[in-house]
Amino acid sequence: QKEVEQNSGPLSVPEGAIASLNCTYSDRGSQSFFWYRQYSGKSPELIMFIYSNGDKEDGRFTAQLNKASQYVSLLIRDSQPSDSATYLCAVNRRMTGNQFYFGTGTSLTVIP
Amino acid sequence: EPEVTQTPSHQVTQMGQEVILRCVPISNHLYFYWYRQILGQKVEFLVSFYNNEISEKSEIFDDQFSVERPDGSNFTLKIRSTKLEDSAMYFCASSVTLLAGGLLFGPGTRLTVT
Repeated sequence: QKEVEQNSGPLSVPEGAIASLNCTYSDRGSQSFFWYRQYSGKSPELIMFIYSNGDKEDGRFTAQLNKASQYVSLLIRDSQPSDSATYLCAVNRRMTGNQFYFGTGTSLTVIP
Repeated sequence: EPEVTQTPSHQVTQMGQEVILRCVPISNHLYFYWYRQILGQKVEFLVSFYNNEISEKSEIFDDQFSVERPDGSNFTLKIRSTKLEDSAMYFCASSVTLLAGGLLFGPGTRLTVT
């Protein structure tokens, strides 16, 4: 069973649309949840983190967490071509130490 | 803005050789990590380091790997006898606390084993 699962995509949206990225995790003991953006050949860049159930907004980005369903999502409003990248979901399980588990990522293309 | 730095950006080595990858984490961060990413695959945890000792390591981090913090700033990953399958991007990361704020990654070192 994979720790963190994401739809690999590719996901294509037109410029200005909302992109919705989803992630599920296997361990109910997970406590912290993160979204990273990774451009090809570059390192992951932290976009947002969320710890509590509900929504957290930061500019055009909204992270949503539902611990009962073991589900995390990232919404990108007013998508721009510069948002085209792979988005990685990461989960931290304090019960097993301080590993951050990453999903395989979802490739997003924003079409001008 | 503070950032994690890594050297070299690209390392080519022959199978069986030793390599040392270097990282300078953000100065006020307490937790340090090495991750790797084989081309086209996911980011994989190797090891975490806190208070001058390994706090956790993965199955990938076998006896061929070691980490050190030789001084107050540098954090190194050594691979004693490289294999072809060690070819990957190696990322150093650091965090202020255990859970809050997430990991901040360095730019990575691309290791190519021939």
